[in-house]
Amino acid sequence: SQQGEEDPQALSIQEGENATMNCSYKTSINNLQWYRQNSGRGLVHLILIRSNEREKHSGRLRVTLDTSKKSSSLLITASRAADTASYFCATDARSNTGKLIFGQGTTLQVKP
Amino acid sequence: DAGVIQSPRHEVTEMGQEVTLRCKPISGHDYLFWYRQTMMRGLELLIYFNNNVPIDDSGMPEDRFSAKMPNASFSTLKIQPSEPRDSAVYFCASSLGRGGTDTQYFGPGTRLTVL
Repeated sequence: SQQGEEDPQALSIQEGENATMNCSYKTSINNLQWYRQNSGRGLVHLILIRSNEREKHSGRLRVTLDTSKKSSSLLITASRAADTASYFCATDARSNTGKLIFGQGTTLQVKP
Repeated sequence: DAGVIQSPRHEVTEMGQEVTLRCKPISGHDYLFWYRQTMMRGLELLIYFNNNVPIDDSGMPEDRFSAKMPNASFSTLKIQPSEPRDSAVYFCASSLGRGGTDTQYFGPGTRLTVL
């Protein structure tokens, strides 16, 4: 069963705009990670946020985590055409043995 | 480092045939994961290993699927006999530590088509 659910499923924006993707999950977690997948490629890790953290930054990426709402958001600022990809959240539920459960992903299209 | 290496990159086979997918993890990584990705089901964890030992194979869909890790630098995922519904992209990933607390590094995937 899916632990993480992304919203929206698809997002189309113009270059330079900000893109926000949301992830909701069901059970308590140790950590939450975001990954990017370009078409036809493997997933690439973007950022990890621990359950005791509320916000984390990495370059143009900003991730927030609200454990009370069991949700996270990924903000990409000043988007570029190269940001076009699918974005997945993945959780390491406390009940699990260290495996990640991936959501269905948000497909982002950035138009030049 | 070359990253996670998977072979073949594409595989087309006929129903009933045996398929073997191969993976070489990043040197020094203790964890190896096999995933399957389809449009309908998304990314599913099939099995993962720690120090060459299978830890959780609850995601393996049925007995037709088997995975081995004979040493720290090589793993195989075998489907015998293959069926059209096995068509998917299969990813191998490795990590230094446990999947939840450490980054997973994915290979480029093997696109399997079963006719």
